Amino acid sequence: DQQVKQNSPSLSVQEGRISILNCDYTNSMFDYFLWYKKYPAEGPTFLISISSIKDKNEDGRFTVFLNKSAKHLSLHIVPSQPGDSAVYFCAATGYNFNKFYFGSGTKLNVKP
Amino acid sequence: EPEVTQTPSHQVTQMGQEVILRCVPISNHLYFYWYRQILGQKVEFLVSFYNNEISEKSEIFDDQFSVERPDGSNFTLKIRSTKLEDSAMYFCASSETKGVGQPQHFGDGTRLSIL
Repeated sequence: DQQVKQNSPSLSVQEGRISILNCDYTNSMFDYFLWYKKYPAEGPTFLISISSIKDKNEDGRFTVFLNKSAKHLSLHIVPSQPGDSAVYFCAATGYNFNKFYFGSGTKLNVKP
Repeated sequence: EPEVTQTPSHQVTQMGQEVILRCVPISNHLYFYWYRQILGQKVEFLVSFYNNEISEKSEIFDDQFSVERPDGSNFTLKIRSTKLEDSAMYFCASSETKGVGQPQHFGDGTRLSIL
């Protein structure tokens, strides 16, 4: 059940630079996409979302881009901070779904 | 900010024993979920629950698993006869509505260790 994929298990970025996390999905019925951030020993925390009627949503340092034709979304963090170091999960769902589908996560390390 | 709370934070149980994981969802939320994450693996959906019944369940959620909302605030996951492979972090989540437009909010999880 690999409907949401995050192909990069880890990413290392220098503080102040841009972090770009990528996510691909296969199900064209997905309408709503989210990014969650997870610190060790804590539950996933909702970060930002985007619906399929948009191609960009911005919230402070975080921007999510959606490319529906490519079935691809990305999360941009600018500027990256050491406190952003965490595992980032993308998730997807749709009107006819009773659950979210999660990717396998990308571990981001922001170096001071 | 309201949050989902889970107890206990860590549960150690002998194989074959029953275990109940407890969750208090956000008070005005109507949809409830259980997920699990085996160490080093992805977050896996177990079950969704709405209006006192299961909306959807995964293949993982077999006859050994059950969920209940025994009162107006708690949401529980019961594993009847635990197996070694049930060792994982179990996350409860809740949302105001189903699916599109509303994120699910997660608790900090219960680490279940089966010996």
